[in-house]
Amino acid sequence: DARVTQTPRHKVTEMGQEVTMRCQPILGHNTVFWYRQTMMQGLELLAYFRNRAPLDDSGMPKDRFSAEMPDATLATLKIQPSEPRDSAVYFCASGLPAGPEQFFGPGTRLTVL
Amino acid sequence: AQTVTQSQPEMSVQEAETVTLSCTYDTSENNYYLFWYKQPPSRQMILVIRQEAYKQQNATENRFSVNFQKAAKSFSLKISDSQLGDTAMYFCAFMKMSSGDKLTFGTGTRLAVRP
Repeated sequence: DARVTQTPRHKVTEMGQEVTMRCQPILGHNTVFWYRQTMMQGLELLAYFRNRAPLDDSGMPKDRFSAEMPDATLATLKIQPSEPRDSAVYFCASGLPAGPEQFFGPGTRLTVL
Repeated sequence: AQTVTQSQPEMSVQEAETVTLSCTYDTSENNYYLFWYKQPPSRQMILVIRQEAYKQQNATENRFSVNFQKAAKSFSLKISDSQLGDTAMYFCAFMKMSSGDKLTFGTGTRLAVRP
């Protein structure tokens, strides 16, 4: 059945390293969201795209985070350089053009040592 | 900006009993959606139920129902006949009624169902 996929599921890296997380939205969904979940901040929006164009990335630290959609089947979230405070679960979600529901991927658990 | 408040960090219920999770929100919007998401230990975010603000009738999905009070900006979730599989974090979320807008989440309520 159709679902959002994310890779990797887990990532452990050292401070200063580059991290790239990938998301494949459900086919036909034209909106893609990146959310971050931490114990302290809860679930917060980092960025989202509609028809591959960025609509809002105000939740993202611009100096180290970047989000792109190279094509309709792939969204990427990159952190360079990573810091321990970036440790979190990163969720990708996608949505249909006509409907409000967002379908979440399984998340990437990132640990920055 | 919208805010969503869940004032119950943790709740517990006996299996087969009924439990109600609270959520309040603040917005100046008139048209919006409200959601409850479930996050079990697997971490997967699962949509439980959705309510459109323009609908007076409360949404129901099997054992899950909501009490939507628009004037009071309240949106509670009732789980009937609680099952062990209902043990999870529950998040209330708000979305403006524009296609494909972002979700604003509450801080969550951890629900434990006791056997």
